[in-house]
Amino acid sequence: EIVLTQSPATLSLSPGDRATLSCRASQTISNYLAWYQQKPGQAPRLLIYDASNRATGIPARFSGSGSGTDFTLTISSLEPEDFAVYYCQHRTGWPRTFGPGTNVEIK
Amino acid sequence: EVQLVQSGGGVVQPGGSLRLSCTASGFTFDDYAMHWVRQAPGKGLEWVSLINWDGDNTFYRDSVKGRFIISRDNSKNSLYLQMSSLRPEDTALYYCAKDLDSNGYYLDYWGQGTLVTVSS
Repeated sequence: EIVLTQSPATLSLSPGDRATLSCRASQTISNYLAWYQQKPGQAPRLLIYDASNRATGIPARFSGSGSGTDFTLTISSLEPEDFAVYYCQHRTGWPRTFGPGTNVEIK
Repeated sequence: EVQLVQSGGGVVQPGGSLRLSCTASGFTFDDYAMHWVRQAPGKGLEWVSLINWDGDNTFYRDSVKGRFIISRDNSKNSLYLQMSSLRPEDTALYYCAKDLDSNGYYLDYWGQGTLVTVSS
Protein backbone atom coordinates (compact mmCIF):
# COMPACT_ATOMS: atom_id res chain seq x y z
CA GLU A 1 0.00 0.00 0.00
CA ILE A 2 1.29 3.42 -0.93
CA VAL A 3 1.48 5.74 2.07
CA LEU A 4 1.10 9.48 1.58
CA THR A 5 2.61 11.87 4.11
CA GLN A 6 1.57 15.52 4.24
CA SER A 7 3.41 18.44 5.78
CA PRO A 8 2.96 20.52 7.69
CA ALA A 9 0.02 19.18 9.66
CA THR A 10 -1.12 22.74 10.29
CA LEU A 11 -0.29 25.91 8.41
CA SER A 12 -1.16 29.23 10.09
CA LEU A 13 -1.37 32.04 7.57
CA SER A 14 -3.15 35.29 6.88
CA PRO A 15 -5.40 36.19 3.94
CA GLY A 16 -3.20 37.26 1.03
CA ASP A 17 -0.34 34.98 2.07
CA ARG A 18 1.09 32.29 -0.17
CA ALA A 19 0.45 28.74 1.01
CA THR A 20 2.73 25.85 0.15
CA LEU A 21 1.56 22.35 1.08
CA SER A 22 3.60 19.21 0.64
CA CYS A 23 2.66 15.59 -0.06
CA ARG A 24 5.22 12.80 -0.19
CA ALA A 25 4.55 9.25 -1.43
CA SER A 26 6.22 6.14 -0.02
CA GLN A 27 7.08 5.04 -3.56
CA THR A 28 7.16 6.67 -6.93
CA ILE A 29 3.73 7.42 -8.37
CA SER A 30 4.68 9.35 -11.51
CA ASN A 31 2.33 12.35 -11.63
CA TYR A 32 -0.68 10.36 -10.42
CA LEU A 33 -1.75 12.58 -7.56
CA ALA A 34 -4.79 14.68 -6.74
CA TRP A 35 -5.52 17.39 -4.18
CA TYR A 36 -8.84 17.96 -2.43
CA GLN A 37 -10.17 20.71 -0.21
CA GLN A 38 -12.58 20.02 2.64
CA LYS A 39 -14.33 22.63 4.73
CA PRO A 40 -16.04 21.80 8.04
CA GLY A 41 -19.35 20.02 7.52
CA GLN A 42 -18.83 19.73 3.78
CA ALA A 43 -17.82 17.00 1.37
CA PRO A 44 -14.36 17.22 -0.17
CA ARG A 45 -13.86 19.08 -3.45
CA LEU A 46 -11.43 18.03 -6.16
CA LEU A 47 -8.91 20.82 -6.83
CA ILE A 48 -6.05 19.29 -8.82
CA TYR A 49 -5.58 15.96 -10.60
CA ASP A 50 -2.57 14.35 -12.24
CA ALA A 51 -0.41 16.62 -10.09
CA SER A 52 -0.97 19.83 -12.00
CA ASN A 53 -4.34 19.88 -13.78
CA ARG A 54 -6.95 22.12 -12.22
CA ALA A 55 -10.40 20.58 -11.96
CA THR A 56 -13.42 22.31 -13.46
CA GLY A 57 -14.20 25.64 -11.84
CA ILE A 58 -11.09 25.78 -9.65
CA PRO A 59 -9.54 29.27 -9.46
CA ALA A 60 -6.12 29.88 -10.96
CA ARG A 61 -4.63 30.73 -7.56
CA PHE A 62 -4.52 26.98 -6.92
CA SER A 63 -1.65 25.18 -8.62
CA GLY A 64 0.00 21.82 -8.27
CA SER A 65 3.40 20.49 -9.14
CA GLY A 66 5.66 17.52 -8.64
CA SER A 67 6.28 14.01 -9.84
CA GLY A 68 7.77 10.81 -8.53
CA THR A 69 7.42 11.01 -4.76
CA ASP A 70 7.26 14.73 -3.96
CA PHE A 71 4.33 16.99 -4.72
CA THR A 72 3.27 20.51 -3.85
CA LEU A 73 -0.02 22.38 -3.76
CA THR A 74 0.40 26.13 -3.89
CA ILE A 75 -2.26 28.72 -3.18
CA SER A 76 -0.78 31.93 -4.51
CA SER A 77 -2.78 34.37 -2.38
CA LEU A 78 -5.11 33.03 0.27
CA GLU A 79 -8.73 34.10 0.12
CA PRO A 80 -10.91 33.85 3.26
CA GLU A 81 -12.73 30.85 1.75
CA ASP A 82 -9.47 28.92 1.30
CA PHE A 83 -9.02 28.18 4.98
CA ALA A 84 -9.77 24.47 5.11
CA VAL A 85 -8.17 21.03 5.25
CA TYR A 86 -6.35 19.80 2.16
CA TYR A 87 -5.79 16.15 1.29
CA CYS A 88 -3.67 14.51 -1.36
CA GLN A 89 -4.68 11.19 -2.97
CA HIS A 90 -2.88 8.83 -5.34
CA ARG A 91 -4.29 6.70 -8.15
CA THR A 92 -1.52 4.11 -8.41
CA GLY A 93 -2.54 0.61 -7.44
CA TRP A 94 -4.96 -0.48 -4.73
CA PRO A 95 -6.13 0.71 -2.39
CA ARG A 96 -6.37 4.31 -3.38
CA THR A 97 -5.16 6.24 -0.35
CA PHE A 98 -5.35 9.76 0.99
CA GLY A 99 -2.78 11.65 2.97
CA PRO A 100 -3.62 12.67 6.56
CA GLY A 101 -4.35 16.24 5.55
CA THR A 102 -2.96 19.74 6.11
CA ASN A 103 -5.12 22.20 8.01
CA VAL A 104 -4.70 25.72 6.65
CA GLU A 105 -5.90 27.97 9.44
CA ILE A 106 -6.18 31.70 9.90
CA LYS A 107 -3.24 33.17 11.79
CA GLU B 1 -25.96 19.94 -12.30
CA VAL B 2 -24.38 16.79 -10.89
CA GLN B 3 -26.10 15.57 -7.74
CA LEU B 4 -25.44 12.54 -5.55
CA VAL B 5 -28.09 12.00 -2.89
CA GLN B 6 -27.30 9.48 -0.21
CA SER B 7 -29.49 7.51 2.18
CA GLY B 8 -29.40 4.49 4.43
CA GLY B 9 -27.14 5.36 7.33
CA GLY B 10 -27.95 4.80 10.98
CA VAL B 11 -27.02 3.08 14.20
CA VAL B 12 -26.29 -0.65 14.13
CA GLN B 13 -24.91 -3.11 16.63
CA PRO B 14 -21.54 -4.78 16.11
CA GLY B 15 -21.98 -7.72 13.76
CA GLY B 16 -25.00 -6.13 12.14
CA SER B 17 -25.69 -5.09 8.56
CA LEU B 18 -26.62 -1.90 6.76
CA ARG B 19 -27.14 -0.90 3.14
CA LEU B 20 -26.18 2.53 1.88
CA SER B 21 -27.64 4.01 -1.29
CA CYS B 22 -26.57 6.84 -3.55
CA THR B 23 -28.82 8.17 -6.32
CA ALA B 24 -27.19 10.13 -9.10
CA SER B 25 -28.49 12.79 -11.45
CA GLY B 26 -27.11 15.40 -13.81
CA PHE B 27 -24.74 13.10 -15.68
CA THR B 28 -24.80 9.83 -17.63
CA PHE B 29 -24.43 7.47 -14.70
CA ASP B 30 -23.33 4.40 -16.64
CA ASP B 31 -20.43 6.29 -18.21
CA TYR B 32 -18.57 6.54 -14.91
CA ALA B 33 -16.95 4.46 -12.23
CA MET B 34 -18.14 5.21 -8.69
CA HIS B 35 -16.45 5.21 -5.30
CA TRP B 36 -17.25 4.97 -1.61
CA VAL B 37 -15.05 6.91 0.82
CA ARG B 38 -15.45 7.17 4.58
CA GLN B 39 -14.37 9.58 7.28
CA ALA B 40 -14.33 8.60 10.93
CA PRO B 41 -15.37 11.39 13.31
CA GLY B 42 -12.64 14.02 13.45
CA LYS B 43 -10.35 12.00 11.18
CA GLY B 44 -9.17 12.01 7.59
CA LEU B 45 -10.51 10.45 4.42
CA GLU B 46 -10.30 6.71 3.80
CA TRP B 47 -11.05 5.20 0.40
CA VAL B 48 -13.32 2.16 0.74
CA SER B 49 -14.38 0.76 -2.62
CA LEU B 50 -14.73 1.30 -6.36
CA ILE B 51 -17.04 -0.15 -9.00
CA ASN B 52 -16.48 0.28 -12.70
CA TRP B 53 -19.14 1.60 -15.07
CA ASP B 54 -20.92 -1.70 -15.69
CA GLY B 55 -20.36 -3.35 -12.33
CA ASP B 56 -18.05 -6.03 -13.68
CA ASN B 57 -15.02 -4.86 -11.72
CA THR B 58 -14.94 -4.00 -8.05
CA PHE B 59 -12.14 -3.10 -5.67
CA TYR B 60 -12.01 -2.84 -1.87
CA ARG B 61 -9.64 -1.85 0.85
CA ASP B 62 -8.40 -4.87 2.76
CA SER B 63 -10.21 -4.03 5.99
CA VAL B 64 -13.64 -4.34 4.35
CA LYS B 65 -13.00 -7.20 1.91
CA GLY B 66 -15.43 -10.05 2.49
CA ARG B 67 -17.71 -7.81 4.58
CA PHE B 68 -18.75 -5.01 2.20
CA ILE B 69 -20.20 -5.35 -1.29
CA ILE B 70 -20.37 -2.48 -3.73
CA SER B 71 -22.96 -2.67 -6.50
CA ARG B 72 -24.85 -0.47 -8.90
CA ASP B 73 -28.10 -0.43 -10.82
CA ASN B 74 -27.59 1.68 -13.92
CA SER B 75 -31.30 1.53 -14.76
CA LYS B 76 -31.97 3.37 -11.49
CA ASN B 77 -28.85 5.60 -11.55
CA SER B 78 -28.01 4.15 -8.17
CA LEU B 79 -24.95 2.99 -6.29
CA TYR B 80 -25.05 0.78 -3.21
CA LEU B 81 -22.81 -0.39 -0.40
CA GLN B 82 -23.98 -3.48 1.45
CA MET B 83 -22.14 -3.63 4.75
CA SER B 84 -22.20 -6.69 6.98
CA SER B 85 -20.30 -7.96 10.03
CA LEU B 86 -19.95 -4.34 11.03
CA ARG B 87 -17.33 -3.36 13.58
CA PRO B 88 -17.02 -0.29 15.81
CA GLU B 89 -14.10 0.85 13.65
CA ASP B 90 -16.48 1.09 10.66
CA THR B 91 -18.16 4.04 12.36
CA ALA B 92 -17.81 6.94 9.96
CA LEU B 93 -19.46 9.36 7.59
CA TYR B 94 -19.70 7.49 4.30
CA TYR B 95 -19.51 9.42 1.04
CA CYS B 96 -20.35 8.19 -2.43
CA ALA B 97 -18.38 9.90 -5.15
CA LYS B 98 -18.36 10.03 -8.92
CA ASP B 99 -15.15 9.19 -10.71
CA LEU B 100 -13.57 11.85 -12.90
CA ASP B 101 -13.78 9.42 -15.82
CA SER B 102 -14.16 5.68 -16.27
CA ASN B 103 -10.79 4.70 -14.86
CA GLY B 104 -11.32 4.86 -11.12
CA TYR B 105 -8.60 7.43 -10.58
CA TYR B 106 -10.01 10.57 -8.99
CA LEU B 107 -13.27 11.70 -7.38
CA ASP B 108 -14.82 14.84 -8.79
CA TYR B 109 -18.30 15.00 -7.26
CA TRP B 110 -19.30 13.82 -3.81
CA GLY B 111 -22.55 13.07 -2.04
CA GLN B 112 -23.54 14.78 1.18
CA GLY B 113 -22.42 11.83 3.29
CA THR B 114 -24.39 9.45 5.46
CA LEU B 115 -23.42 8.58 9.02
CA VAL B 116 -22.94 4.98 10.07
CA THR B 117 -22.54 4.34 13.78
CA VAL B 118 -21.63 0.85 14.98
CA SER B 119 -22.25 0.60 18.68
CA SER B 120 -23.93 -1.63 21.21
